[in-house]
Amino acid sequence: AQSVTQLGSHVSVSEGALVLLRCNYSSSVPPYLFWYVQYPNQGLQLLLKYTSAATLVKGINGFEAEFKKSETSFHLTKPSAHMSDAAEYFCAVSGTNYGGSQGNLIFGKGTKLSVKP
Amino acid sequence: DTAVSQTPKYLVTQMGNDKSIKCEQNLGHDTMYWYKQDSKKFLKIMFSYNNKELIINETVPNRFSPKSPDKAHLNLHINSLELGDSAVYFCASSQDAAGAREQYFGPGTRLTVT
Repeated sequence: AQSVTQLGSHVSVSEGALVLLRCNYSSSVPPYLFWYVQYPNQGLQLLLKYTSAATLVKGINGFEAEFKKSETSFHLTKPSAHMSDAAEYFCAVSGTNYGGSQGNLIFGKGTKLSVKP
Repeated sequence: DTAVSQTPKYLVTQMGNDKSIKCEQNLGHDTMYWYKQDSKKFLKIMFSYNNKELIINETVPNRFSPKSPDKAHLNLHINSLELGDSAVYFCASSQDAAGAREQYFGPGTRLTVT
């Protein structure tokens, strides 16, 4: 069964500092991996996704993530944090084949990012 | 134009009641989903519909039933509400059920059962 582990339920950084949110996955097949962001009282928005093309994936708002098969990781980074980045971030994994439950997203428990002025 | 919309945004009701949450997407997508987010922010898939056919049904009590009048709508009906049903429910849609597809989420419905 597929699963996702996000290390750190809460990460706090200063404005302008590097953001690093950690995600490790478990999958018996090559996975599709996603990072979603949830702002307070809102739905989820896709930041970026890995679909077996480039291992370094660039997303919206200056975020990027690197797929490392040897480490089963898909950590999210941003070189310089902005106050508007404060939100809950979710890593998710889905299957690889069409049909059945392959569209099912398995989410990590989320990491709350706080940005200090 | 809102891509995925849900009504109501807030729902407060008493134990034992029956309630429905509506979801509509205007993206022309074939697949729609319902997720439950608990008080600790944990998200779990409940159902998905692909071309009006149920393709996922995780370990959800049969008090919960999805109803899809057409592929643009996936409503969630809940019978005999319990305290533990209190959560935020998110509807989502994707182009199809392939694993690589981005899912578009609605704003959520906060259900409070008293």
